[in-house]
Amino acid sequence: EVQLLESGGGLVQPGGSLRLSCAASGFTFSSYAMSWVRQAPGKGLECVSTISSTGVNTHYADSVKGRFTISRDNSKNTLYLQMNSLRAEDTAVYFCAKVGLKSYFDYWGQGTLVTVSS
Amino acid sequence: EVVLTQSPGTLSLSPGERATLSCRASQSISSSYFAWHQQKPGQAPRLLIYGASSRATGIPDRFSGSGSGTDFTLTISRLEPEDFAVYYCQQYGSSPYTFGQGTKLEIK
Repeated sequence: EVQLLESGGGLVQPGGSLRLSCAASGFTFSSYAMSWVRQAPGKGLECVSTISSTGVNTHYADSVKGRFTISRDNSKNTLYLQMNSLRAEDTAVYFCAKVGLKSYFDYWGQGTLVTVSS
Repeated sequence: EVVLTQSPGTLSLSPGERATLSCRASQSISSSYFAWHQQKPGQAPRLLIYGASSRATGIPDRFSGSGSGTDFTLTISRLEPEDFAVYYCQQYGSSPYTFGQGTKLEIK
């Protein structure tokens, strides 16, 4: 059974940093791309960042480019999102998602809440 | 960036009725790279349909997807109580991957 478990969310002040983790199990983690998707309170979904299976290729939404860094440790089956220079508008639930071989998001984690506020 | 616009914003129907949800893309996209997700309150999204018309594992056959080019449709043939949720369309053919704003399917 595929499981994705996010952690690392919390309350942070504007300008602060936070690192999210997503522990994966139930599939060969190193064979699949992964993504972070966020959902602001009462809003829709936004794909924030995607990383290839090897970690060589990454992509970021314009809204986070230069502030967020996606990475992965295939030896630990874990995906990361380093978030710096956080803003109030980054407040959201952050989901990690497994990217299937045909690029669709086939499994989602339960999410971790990030709140940026003073 | 491909903008996806879903309609209606809210759909009020009764169990047993048929639901038709629409999603229009700002530019033509390959049907191979189009999906629908369902999200219930407080839960993660769940993949329903990929490749515009293929049901994901474990999805009942009352859910069906269709469409091509810029217009895509999700149909739920006979609504069950557990189907009332928010539905999002998504394209994954070009970066950035984008989602529609969602259609809320509520009990009438």
